[in-house]
Amino acid sequence: GENVEQHPSTLSVQEGDSAVIKCTYSDSASNYFPWYKQELGKRPQLIIDIRSNVGEKKDQRIAVTLNKTAKHFSLHITETQPEDSAVYFCAASLSDYKLSFGAGTTVTVRA
Amino acid sequence: DTEVTQTPKHLVMGMTNKKSLKCEQHMGHRAMYWYKQKAKKPPELMFVYSYEKLSINESVPSRFSPECPNSSLLNLHLHALQPEDSALYLCASSQERRKSMKYPNEKLFFGSGTQLSVL
Repeated sequence: GENVEQHPSTLSVQEGDSAVIKCTYSDSASNYFPWYKQELGKRPQLIIDIRSNVGEKKDQRIAVTLNKTAKHFSLHITETQPEDSAVYFCAASLSDYKLSFGAGTTVTVRA
Repeated sequence: DTEVTQTPKHLVMGMTNKKSLKCEQHMGHRAMYWYKQKAKKPPELMFVYSYEKLSINESVPSRFSPECPNSSLLNLHLHALQPEDSALYLCASSQERRKSMKYPNEKLFFGSGTQLSVL
């Protein structure tokens, strides 16, 4: 099955700085890569996703890039704010209902 | 309505109890899921229903019994659970895939979860 590795496991940034989280996947057939944000005690929420026919996608302060050759994808958050503090999970899918999640990154934005 | 609602929000049960978790969505999604999430870990898939039929069972112990009464509802019946089953149980839904599509829509929407404690 698909194996997704996520780094770093924790990330502390100053408010206003950028945050970058990187994930690698093992199965080159994976074609869907969502990112979920989970605040403490809340549900995972889809914040952005990208498909394998696209190299980059942006939504306001959030962007995701995909390198199919290297089998890695990254989440970029610019101008971080305290409300960006959460656990972020990347995932990859082979279109079989199963999302393979990374282990998560705990992001702390320091005021 | 873009919500997946789950009840109860919290549940404490003994190892001999029988209880049920409930999930409801009104987004017209025909795929519904149960996930289990331990603290500081990613969600783990348990079951998938597609058009009210069980499509995937990730080798879940029989003390967990899913049920999909109709396209909007999903239940998880619990019986004789163990303390290690304590976790956050998340329901999710998505549009059903059309296999003819090269990139089927797989956006997964999670419910707020049931925090389960087994004593």
